[in-house]
Amino acid sequence: DAKTTQPPSMDCAEGRAANLPCNHSTISGNEYVYWYRQIHSQGPQYIIHGLKNNETNEMASLIITEDRKSSTLILPHATLRDTAVYYCIVRVPLIQGAQKLVFGQGTRLTINP
Amino acid sequence: EAQVTQNPRYLITVTGKKLTVTCSQNMNHEYMSWYRQDPGLGLRQIYYSMNVEVTDKGDVPEGYKVSRKEKRNFPLILESPSPNQTSLYFCASSFQGTGRAFFGQGTRLTVV
Repeated sequence: DAKTTQPPSMDCAEGRAANLPCNHSTISGNEYVYWYRQIHSQGPQYIIHGLKNNETNEMASLIITEDRKSSTLILPHATLRDTAVYYCIVRVPLIQGAQKLVFGQGTRLTINP
Repeated sequence: EAQVTQNPRYLITVTGKKLTVTCSQNMNHEYMSWYRQDPGLGLRQIYYSMNVEVTDKGDVPEGYKVSRKEKRNFPLILESPSPNQTSLYFCASSFQGTGRAFFGQGTRLTVV
């Protein structure tokens, strides 16, 4: 699976949009981009994923550049409850084998009142 | 409600005393796995299971055992716990081939 690079920390004001970048310059054509977050020491929570097109769900939007070498997770109206570590993961859909999710160090997002 | 349930949430035990951490999911997922999370090391996969009676080692399997006798359950067994197994443990499940996993709330284990 391709390696990802994320800033170690970011701050955002409550009510503003939080834009979390991720670089995955070695991504291959069949690799998806997944985003998870971990609030304090709770279990990681799936947010969103995409292959080529931009995606949106009730939690966030995912913008993937045309060359697919980077992506941005957007939390449109951040709240204090969005304070968490956000992980960007790139992986191939496997039918067999370990299928593990490789979590890097992620971005620690702090939402300030 | 779709969920992965781990028990116990917190456990303090002594070296060498066998313990089991249970994991159950209600989503009919084929794939289940165990991770441990340690400061500075991130989440590392311990064992995984692709279906009933099919299990295999992950990245850090030493000192752990698992079983998958039923699709919904995937217990983690520490036959002789040691202090270096003090960690935060997560169970996860997903449909085969997808990266959309559901995680349990975690089990914080301390071995003294």
